[in-house]
Amino acid sequence: KNEVEQSPQNLTAQEGEFITINCSYSVGISALHWLQQHPGGGIVSLFMLSSGKKKHGRLIATINIQEKHSSLHITASHPRDSAVYICAPLNNNNDMRFGAGTRLTVKP
Amino acid sequence: EAGVAQSPRYKIIEKRQSVAFWCNPISGHATLYWYQQILGQGPKLLIQFQNNGVVDDSQLPKDRFSAERLKGVDSTLKIQPAKLEDSAVYLCASSLGLRGTDTQYFGPGTRLTVL
Repeated sequence: KNEVEQSPQNLTAQEGEFITINCSYSVGISALHWLQQHPGGGIVSLFMLSSGKKKHGRLIATINIQEKHSSLHITASHPRDSAVYICAPLNNNNDMRFGAGTRLTVKP
Repeated sequence: EAGVAQSPRYKIIEKRQSVAFWCNPISGHATLYWYQQILGQGPKLLIQFQNNGVVDDSQLPKDRFSAERLKGVDSTLKIQPAKLEDSAVYLCASSLGLRGTDTQYFGPGTRLTVL
């Protein structure tokens, strides 16, 4: 079983829809990153959180440490949000592990 | 500030050939990472440097992969000889410190195709 599981693997939405991407992990963690990877490989760190919730513009990330689960939400989705979103928890040794990613396509 | 630079962006080679990738991290960043990302998977850490010393190379296939960061700035990753399963995007990232909670800044990656 993978240490980090993301769902769904692929997601297609219409512009304006509310998007949720889920991440479950099996190890104890100190923090968790959400990363965005655009076609061509560039990766950008969106959030790093260790508890509760963080909001940046239309993006919201939540984490429940007890349930070992994190979600990334996108409100009022836009075609430019189309990318792969990767969940990357840090284990207690501060080693980063990566989920396989969720490929999001937002259609106009 | 300038981001992490990588070259080449694309490389196609035949199996058993050798290949080298170059990475220039963000100025002042002490920690440099090389990741391998196979299509459809998340990145996998190959090696982590703190300045010019190796912090973690536990997942580096040392029989064919090597990496160095001699002056604690630029780094090269080499594959010799390449295998078909080495086809992937090789990502370089850097961060200011060693702590895992420091933000990692990723380069655009080098897409390697082994025929």
